[in-house]
Amino acid sequence: DIQMTQSPSSLSASVGDRVTISCRASQGIRNHLAWYQQKPGKVPNLLIYTASTLQSGVPSRFSGSGSGTDFTLTISSLQPEDVATYYCQNNNGAPLTFGGGTKVEIK
Amino acid sequence: QVQVVQSGAEVKKPGASVKVSCKASGYTFTNYYMHWVRQAPGQGLEWMGTIYPSTGSTAYAQKIQDRVTMTRDTSTSTVYMELSSLRSDDTAVYYCARGDSGTYRIEYWGQGTLVTVSS
Repeated sequence: DIQMTQSPSSLSASVGDRVTISCRASQGIRNHLAWYQQKPGKVPNLLIYTASTLQSGVPSRFSGSGSGTDFTLTISSLQPEDVATYYCQNNNGAPLTFGGGTKVEIK
Repeated sequence: QVQVVQSGAEVKKPGASVKVSCKASGYTFTNYYMHWVRQAPGQGLEWMGTIYPSTGSTAYAQKIQDRVTMTRDTSTSTVYMELSSLRSDDTAVYYCARGDSGTYRIEYWGQGTLVTVSS
């Protein structure tokens, strides 16, 4: 089975900072990767799919890149409302494994 | 508008089974996958499996494949997830979530069903 490894597991940054989260797949998944944001007590929300396509309604400060085994989610200017846990997910076929999550906090 | 509405919270004893339902509306039920994802308290997201309502075909996570069954009723646009031989570490919020048939991305989530396993 494909394993998805995210790093870091948590980070603290200041408002306005550029934040990057990494996700590595244990085998190549082409560009078949999604990113989700989950705020405390809420259901997850799709941010990015096919590695770099921004979901409708998602602010443009979010972007995704990568292909094969290495992927990145970038928040260009961190905002207070971005406090959440972020998950990547293999979308290359079952099992659609999630990464372990990255918790983003404001410094 | 697309809606995915799940059944209510459950409390079960170890060794028992639980069956959670998920009713879809606002789209063509047979054209999209329905995934099940769970989240234990304070933990991350765990993909459990998926069903394609058009054919009933399923795929399950290896960790639980011997204990989980996903089914659908196309007449009511409802999918079901049954988990047997419950253990305390099955305590979690269980989500059903609509998956795109092309990219598998999940755009719509149910509200979640808390399943508590306790003696």
